[in-house]
Amino acid sequence: DADVTQTPRNRITKTGKRIMLECSQTKGHDRMYWYRQDPGLGLRLIYYSFDVKDINKGEISDGYSVSRQAQAKFSLSLESAIPNQTALYFCATSDWTGFDNEQFFGPGTRLTVL
Amino acid sequence: QKEVEQNSGPLSVPEGAIASLNCTYSDRGSQSFFWYRQYSGKSPELIMFIYSNGDKEDGRFTAQLNKASQYVSLLIRDSQPSDSATYLCAVRGSTLRRLYFGRGTQLTVWP
Repeated sequence: DADVTQTPRNRITKTGKRIMLECSQTKGHDRMYWYRQDPGLGLRLIYYSFDVKDINKGEISDGYSVSRQAQAKFSLSLESAIPNQTALYFCATSDWTGFDNEQFFGPGTRLTVL
Repeated sequence: QKEVEQNSGPLSVPEGAIASLNCTYSDRGSQSFFWYRQYSGKSPELIMFIYSNGDKEDGRFTAQLNKASQYVSLLIRDSQPSDSATYLCAVRGSTLRRLYFGRGTQLTVWP
């Protein structure tokens, strides 16, 4: 089974709808991240969390919110989806073992907002 | 604003050649540097990390770091068509709290 899972894998929704993307991990990592990827723009950080009580904004948090329900679960919400939020969304996790710790990515959620 | 810049692509090399991917960063206090490979439609996966000046080799891959010039590169020797992917440079900033990613360089290795 995959260590980092994302649901749904694909979602088509309409402008103004509320949508939640979910991420679960079995790696036992404390740190979790949400990124979005647009063609030619690389990975941009939306939110990150170092534990259940520590949630931080990334550089593109406007229009998004998150919830860290447990160490293993980190959800991303779009309260009122708009077309320019159409993108590929990745969840990632990492452990704090030093400055060389790797981030492990989920398979991604492809979101289309019509 | 922490910036990570990668050489613009796409980069196209013949099979067996050396592919050179470059990355510069703005935060002089950056601690460690990562190269991720991403196949089309897939998630990024770590290839190498480096945190000391100089070269680090792993099989056909060599990462090179020059902190004075704020420059990190990835060399792929004996390139194979299976190396065709987008390569993302990532930098861990001076606060150690997160990674900053470049936009990626798309590499195509043709037979």
